[in-house]
Amino acid sequence: EAGVAQSPRYKIIEKRQSVAFWCNPISGHATLYWYQQILGQGPKLLIQFQNNGVVDDSQLPKDRFSAERLKGVDSTLKIQPAKLEDSAVYLCATRRGMQETQYFGPGTRLLVL
Amino acid sequence: AQSVTQLGSHVSVSEGALVLLRCNYSSSVPPYLFWYVQYPNQGLQLLLKYTSAATLVKGINGFEAEFKKSETSFHLTKPSAHMSDAAEYFCAVSPGSNYKLTFGKGTLLTVNP
Repeated sequence: EAGVAQSPRYKIIEKRQSVAFWCNPISGHATLYWYQQILGQGPKLLIQFQNNGVVDDSQLPKDRFSAERLKGVDSTLKIQPAKLEDSAVYLCATRRGMQETQYFGPGTRLLVL
Repeated sequence: AQSVTQLGSHVSVSEGALVLLRCNYSSSVPPYLFWYVQYPNQGLQLLLKYTSAATLVKGINGFEAEFKKSETSFHLTKPSAHMSDAAEYFCAVSPGSNYKLTFGKGTLLTVNP
């Protein structure tokens, strides 16, 4: 079975620009997560979707970050405008039903200059 | 609220030596515990998980971990390190069947020839 796909893999932008990341989950995985992993730290949850509905976005900086999961499959995470401190790896993970395991994509490495 | 403490941001061992990576957690409810491994420029891969069954859990690549409730620990071990084990290792906790992961800061394992 194909894994979680993410694109782009790398992105360099200047501060105040906007950027978007895309995630395609494993087929049949209804739950989707976006994490932010700053260098030297563990991943931090930004937002959780169940199908196309938001379950938890308490850690999402909503003044600049937005995410959607139209049709309950692919998801996009957007940052507008970007700040220097947004430089990080953005990881997408998905989970099937009541199984405990989250499966992670390779991540998008963002550098904001 | 949940939290994870990984003692030692960097562990160095010789090839063939015992690997011990430490993880202590706090959780207000019976936890599920996970160890993930991250190779350079890749996403996280599940090594093993504890979900309230056997306290000694065996995972992939010869790793195992033991859940000790009295010590609130879930240390990761491998009897004999291999060069291919060099990576970053993350311990994570979720509050039972909630499945929302809180990660530690990670431990970078270096294996010397």
